[in-house]
Amino acid sequence: DTAVSQTPKYLVTQMGNDKSIKCEQNLGHDTMYWYKQDSKKFLKIMFSYNNKELIINETVPNRFSPKSPDKAHLNLHINSLELGDSAVYFCASSQGLGDEQFFGPGTRLTVL
Amino acid sequence: QKEVEQDPGPLSVPEGAIVSLNCTYSNSAFQYFMWYRQYSRKGPELLMYTYSSGNKEDGRFTAQVDKSSKYISLFIRDSQPSDSATYLCAIGDNYGQNFVFGPGTRLSVLP
Repeated sequence: DTAVSQTPKYLVTQMGNDKSIKCEQNLGHDTMYWYKQDSKKFLKIMFSYNNKELIINETVPNRFSPKSPDKAHLNLHINSLELGDSAVYFCASSQGLGDEQFFGPGTRLTVL
Repeated sequence: QKEVEQDPGPLSVPEGAIVSLNCTYSNSAFQYFMWYRQYSRKGPELLMYTYSSGNKEDGRFTAQVDKSSKYISLFIRDSQPSDSATYLCAIGDNYGQNFVFGPGTRLSVLP
């Protein structure tokens, strides 16, 4: 049983397109996150979402928007994709803020 | 100064060796300390989690936190080839809203 799942696993798209990545957790956690891991393997937090409160890393462009239809899902929507958006995007969840985080398998996004 | 610093390696050791992985951090507000293991093309997997100074042991893994020096370590005893991966330290603030990851240390355990 996968605890944190993401789809798609791979995403190749053209510059300027809009795309979404889906994330689901079946752990009953209250908090979910999105991270970006760039080619140098730096893992940086983009968003955390806890009890309908969204905390945004101020360095994240507003082309990125998380959408949470319910507590078990936090999708990432990206508008007007740019070459620099190419990276692996990881979703994670935790019981609450500050608790252990469990990561999904990642979505490798390539923007051409 | 970067918030979290970690030697990127690569670090190569023979099977059975004791491995020491380290991170330093700059912000004393950080209260949560984690170590993750990441295999190639996989998501990070939590190994250890602690919020206090001192040692925490789990099998072959020991996490050590020294808040006064802003220094954390992960020790792996009797290292195995299956331990070959990138190890990331992650440090969070008291509110759990801000987590910062180190760049990771790539470890190779040679049979």
